Amino acid sequence: QSALTQPPSASGSPGQSVTISCTGTSSDVGGYNYVSWYQQHPGKAPKLMIYEVSKRPSGVPDRFSGSKSGNTASLTVSGLQAEDEADYYCNSYAGSNNVIFGGGTKLTVL
Amino acid sequence: EVQLVQSGAEVKKPGESLKISCKGAGYSFNSYWIGWVRQMPGKGLEWMGIIYPYDSDTKYSPSFQGQVTISADKSISTAYLQWSSLKASDTAIYYCVRYLGAHKVFDFWGQGALVTVSS
Repeated sequence: QSALTQPPSASGSPGQSVTISCTGTSSDVGGYNYVSWYQQHPGKAPKLMIYEVSKRPSGVPDRFSGSKSGNTASLTVSGLQAEDEADYYCNSYAGSNNVIFGGGTKLTVL
Repeated sequence: EVQLVQSGAEVKKPGESLKISCKGAGYSFNSYWIGWVRQMPGKGLEWMGIIYPYDSDTKYSPSFQGQVTISADKSISTAYLQWSSLKASDTAIYYCVRYLGAHKVFDFWGQGALVTVSS
């Protein structure tokens, strides 16, 4: 199975909003409301930011939000801050106890 | 506080075997799926598989089925990832993760273990 499709890079200035897309198929993103997003700073382990498309774990700022339309999920970071600069990965359930990740997006805060 | 503490970095030669570990603490280890995620140098995340320590039920990604073995010892709250014959292409960071089956999400991550396979 192929990885979910994410843009390799995204950028925005401090205070702006940026949206990262994650495109799959009707067998994964489009078929289930089980999309999650992870933030990874260089040299660190990934951290859960969004699960079940739009839910935030405790401690994640509400500047981070998620949504889905058809086979494409999106992560929006509002009010960009310097510490938001990181790699972001989407993940989706794909049935039969299988999950797949996106290729990752490097977010740069200009 | 939930913690997943992984064993240290390893340097191995092609053809050698290896078993790395991940010890869970701060939660009921037997009651949560625990799994492994690979990250090759400069690349993205890949899900390898998960195990339910209570009964050792194991699920593998099709990409990793037959390539690795995932196991767990619930008596010491530890999960393992094992290779019988390493290849240079196994060089990567391996993260253990706690998996919430009801939500299909990896909610806690270990610190990662770098495995280097080189002759």
